[in-house]
Amino acid sequence: ILNVEQSPQSLHVQEGDSTNFTCSFPSSNFYALHWYRWETAKSPEALFVMTLNGDEKKKGRISATLNTKEGYSYLYIKGSQPEDSATYLCAFKGGATNKLIFGTGTLLAVQP
Amino acid sequence: DTEVTQTPKHLVMGMTNKKSLKCEQHMGHRAMYWYKQKAKKPPELMFVYSYEKLSINESVPSRFSPECPNSSLLNLHLHALQPEDSALYLCASSQARGGYYEQYFGPGTRLTVT
Repeated sequence: ILNVEQSPQSLHVQEGDSTNFTCSFPSSNFYALHWYRWETAKSPEALFVMTLNGDEKKKGRISATLNTKEGYSYLYIKGSQPEDSATYLCAFKGGATNKLIFGTGTLLAVQP
Repeated sequence: DTEVTQTPKHLVMGMTNKKSLKCEQHMGHRAMYWYKQKAKKPPELMFVYSYEKLSINESVPSRFSPECPNSSLLNLHLHALQPEDSALYLCASSQARGGYYEQYFGPGTRLTVT
């Protein structure tokens, strides 16, 4: 059974704070790691697809890093805003599986 | 247009009913997916269509029947469901199958089986 774990489960920060959370995945047979943002009552939205060890991707105030050898990815949000409030999901694709395996997500709440 | 649409948004059905969920995309994507999400759990893959052919069935019970009439449409036919099938059903599409392509999701259909 392939496990994808995210921590923390939830996070409450103040507007302007920077924050980060973690996605852990199997370190063998890596293909890709996805990050999605899911706002309440909306569709999950792709943030990043990362494929190479050491990859670092950035979209505005959000960035992500990837370490495939130790099996983790970090998502960083700089200067959190209330509109960043959402559940952030990571999903792992390995060689031993033909599908994305999703983590349970980190629920971020940004207080104005 | 980067939108995936799903209808209906909400569906309540009895265990003897037959209903269908619909999903549509106009991005020219050749892979389409059905996921099931129960509360506080991650989305779980049910089916994948690639170039309008069923390529993955994750051992889903036969009371769920997928259909891909053309490259833009994906249906999920429901019959004789059980209360434990109540969940959010998400449709997604991607440029092609495989983990290198980001998936575009619809907002989901919230299904309640009574």
